Amino acid sequence: QVQVVESGGALVNPGGSLRLSCAASGFTFSDFYMGWIRQAPGRGLEWISYMSSSGSTIFYADSVKGRFIISRDNAENTVSLQMNSLGAEDTAVYYCARAYYDAANVYFPDWGRGTLVTVSS
Amino acid sequence: VLTQPPSLSVAPGQTARIICGGNDIGSKSVHWYQQKPGQAPVLVVFENSHRPSDIPERFSGSKAGNTATLTISRVEVDDEADYYCQVWDTASDHVVFGGGTKLTAL
Repeated sequence: QVQVVESGGALVNPGGSLRLSCAASGFTFSDFYMGWIRQAPGRGLEWISYMSSSGSTIFYADSVKGRFIISRDNAENTVSLQMNSLGAEDTAVYYCARAYYDAANVYFPDWGRGTLVTVSS
Repeated sequence: VLTQPPSLSVAPGQTARIICGGNDIGSKSVHWYQQKPGQAPVLVVFENSHRPSDIPERFSGSKAGNTATLTISRVEVDDEADYYCQVWDTASDHVVFGGGTKLTAL
């Protein structure tokens, strides 16, 4: 059974940094792309980033590019999101998700329950 | 950009059709997610019309031209949720979600 569990959400000051972690199990982690999606309070889903199975290919949404860094540890079955220069607009529930990737598709069959990041002084 | 109607109301037992429009959507695979309040999204249709094994047959997807449609037959109160369409833009390698449609069964 696929499980994806996020952690690390917290209240952080504007301009601050935070690192989210995601632990995956129930599948061969090193075979799959992984991604992060967020949802601001009362708003829709916003894709943030995804990373290839080896970690060699990474893409970011324009809203976080240059501030957020995705990484993975295939030995530990974890994926992380380092978030820097946080602003109020980054306040959201952050979801980690297993991604399906092929030449014509990227989508997310399995999601964690999310972790809340609040940026406020 | 993917465009969805913000809301849709359907009586229980009737059919709900949630649409998703966008430029060049005809050339992309469309995926659909259901999100109930306080829960994570769940994939209900992938690659336009395929259904995960644990999703009821009442859920189906289709696409014609630049419009994709999620159809929910015999709507139940438990189907009340936000529904999001999603595509992958191969030109930018970016994932794009629609704004979501809130389905109310009443």
